[in-house]
Amino acid sequence: EVQLVESGGVLAKPGGCLRLSCAASGFTFSNAWMNWVRQAPGKGLEWVARIKRKTDDDGTTDYAAPVKGRFTISRDDAKNMLYLQMNSLKIEDTAVYYCTTDEAGPRYWGQGTLVTVSS
Amino acid sequence: DIVMTQSPDSLTVSLGERATINCKSSQSVLNNSNNKNYLGWYQQKPGQPPKMLIYWASTRESGVPDRFSGSGSGTDFTLTISSLQAEDVAVYYCQQYYSSPYTFGQGTKLEIK
Repeated sequence: EVQLVESGGVLAKPGGCLRLSCAASGFTFSNAWMNWVRQAPGKGLEWVARIKRKTDDDGTTDYAAPVKGRFTISRDDAKNMLYLQMNSLKIEDTAVYYCTTDEAGPRYWGQGTLVTVSS
Repeated sequence: DIVMTQSPDSLTVSLGERATINCKSSQSVLNNSNNKNYLGWYQQKPGQPPKMLIYWASTRESGVPDRFSGSGSGTDFTLTISSLQAEDVAVYYCQQYYSSPYTFGQGTKLEIK
């Protein structure tokens, strides 16, 4: 059974940093493309970032425009872990952040971790 | 970026009746090399993460009831629930994975009449 468990969501201040983690199990993580998707309170879904597997374009990353240059997606295949380093946080980054697999789009989703950015 | 537009924003349907949600992309999401539409549908119930219902525009995810079906090609797509059940109350999203950035529709809230 595929399991994705996010952690690291907390209350952070504008301009601050945070690292989210996602522990993956139940599938061959190193073969998987992975995403982060977020959902602001009461709002719709917004794709944040994607990382390919290392054998595809050496693990190329892509980002949504609002986070490009501030967020970094990375992976540790030895630990079956996905990360999202979030720098220069803004109030509008407040959201539940979901880790997803990427097979014909975001297929399996974790339960999410809440990031609140407030002074 | 490909813009995804859903209609309607909300929908009220009686139990047992058909529900139809439309999704339009600002450019084609059909890959002519493999004839696949890079379009998925998701269901999100309150307090839960989204769940994939349909991928490749019309392929039902394993375990999804057959009352859910997807259709369309190119830029126009439809999610149909053939006979609405109480447990289908949710927000539904379409999403394209044809090109980065992946983009979602704004969501359609489905309620029971």
